[in-house]
Amino acid sequence: GDSVTQMEGPVTLSEEAFLTINCTYTATGYPSLFWYVQYPGEGLQLLLKATKADDKGSNKGFEATYRKETTSFHLEKGSVQVSDSAVYFCALSPNTNAGKSTFGDGTTLTVKP
Amino acid sequence: NAGVTQTPKFRILKIGQSMTLQCTQDMNHNYMYWYRQDPGMGLKLIYYSVGAGITDKGEVPNGYNVSRSTTEDFPLRLELAAPSQTSVYFCASMGGANYGYTFGSGTRLTVV
Repeated sequence: GDSVTQMEGPVTLSEEAFLTINCTYTATGYPSLFWYVQYPGEGLQLLLKATKADDKGSNKGFEATYRKETTSFHLEKGSVQVSDSAVYFCALSPNTNAGKSTFGDGTTLTVKP
Repeated sequence: NAGVTQTPKFRILKIGQSMTLQCTQDMNHNYMYWYRQDPGMGLKLIYYSVGAGITDKGEVPNGYNVSRSTTEDFPLRLELAAPSQTSVYFCASMGGANYGYTFGSGTRLTVV
């Protein structure tokens, strides 16, 4: 079946540092890929997405590129802020059977001033 | 546009009690989901629905039931609550595979 593997956390960075959170997936066909963010005490929010190979999703300074050859969708940000402290989830949604979306376990990011 | 609305936000149940977690979406999405998130853990799918009148089990359905009589509503029923059901419950909806989920703000349930 489908699976999503995320870089284990927690990740602690200083403000303005470069962020990479690795995500790889296993799926049949050509899924859509997503990053969600969960701030403390809140629900998950869609951060960015990519629906086909080589697409780059971006939002709020975060970027991720759909790499089919390496089955990866790594999340990056050039300069993190304290307000980016949250849990980040990578997920895939197959283009058939939309009820079977798969989430990674989440990576906790803490940014210190 | 309210998105996905979950009620209640917090609830404490005694072992053996029952309750219904409410979920309503106003985006006319066909797909709806219930997940649970245990402390420090990821999401586990309880039940999902691909349209009104259609529901199916996820990976952890035991102890729960759902119904989908309308496009908007997808309530989750807990029968005979157990401490193992202490968790945060999230409802979500999706308009299609390319669009991503819209999540509710969650229900924090404690069973004592």
